[in-house]
Amino acid sequence: DIQMTQSPSSLSASVGDRVTITCRASQGISNSLAWFQQKPGRAPKSLIYGASNLQSGVPSKFSGSGSGTDFTLTISSLQPEDFATYYCQQHSTYPLTFGGGTKVEIK
Amino acid sequence: EVQLVESGGGLVQPGGSLRLSCAASGFTFTNYWVHWVRQGPGKGPVWVSRIHTDGTTTNYADSVKGRFTISRDNAKKTVYLQMNSLRVEDTAVYYCLVITVGWGQGTLVTVSS
Repeated sequence: DIQMTQSPSSLSASVGDRVTITCRASQGISNSLAWFQQKPGRAPKSLIYGASNLQSGVPSKFSGSGSGTDFTLTISSLQPEDFATYYCQQHSTYPLTFGGGTKVEIK
Repeated sequence: EVQLVESGGGLVQPGGSLRLSCAASGFTFTNYWVHWVRQGPGKGPVWVSRIHTDGTTTNYADSVKGRFTISRDNAKKTVYLQMNSLRVEDTAVYYCLVITVGWGQGTLVTVSS
């Protein structure tokens, strides 16, 4: 199985900050990488698929980049509604596998 | 509006069975693989199963192989997950997922005596 390693596991940031989360795959997955956001007690919300394609309805402050094994999710200006846990997920081969999550907290 | 709506969860005893459903709307259902993903209490998501657009190819996580069966009815735009021989460790919220479309709201399965 492809292992997905996310970093950091948590971070504290202020409203207005630019935040970057990284995800590394244990082997090349081309651009088959998705990001999603999850708030406590809520279903995941898709943000990005194909490494850089914004899901319909997701604001442009979210962006994704990378290819092969190294990927990033950037939130350009953190807002109160963005405090949540973010996961990466590879969709290159089954089983789909997920990163361990990054909890974004208020500083 | 794109929607994936799961149903069928509930409380079941170990060894019991449940059938989950995932009803799709707002997109061309027949173009997409559909996945089931589960998330145990306080844990990260774990992939469970997937089904090809026409239902001819299915795959399962080792932990559920031989116990769970995924199927789809394209006329009803619905994917099913038949879960047999349920174990306590199958307790989780079960989500359906279409990679380029999104996630459902989930349905809770609790296996307990």
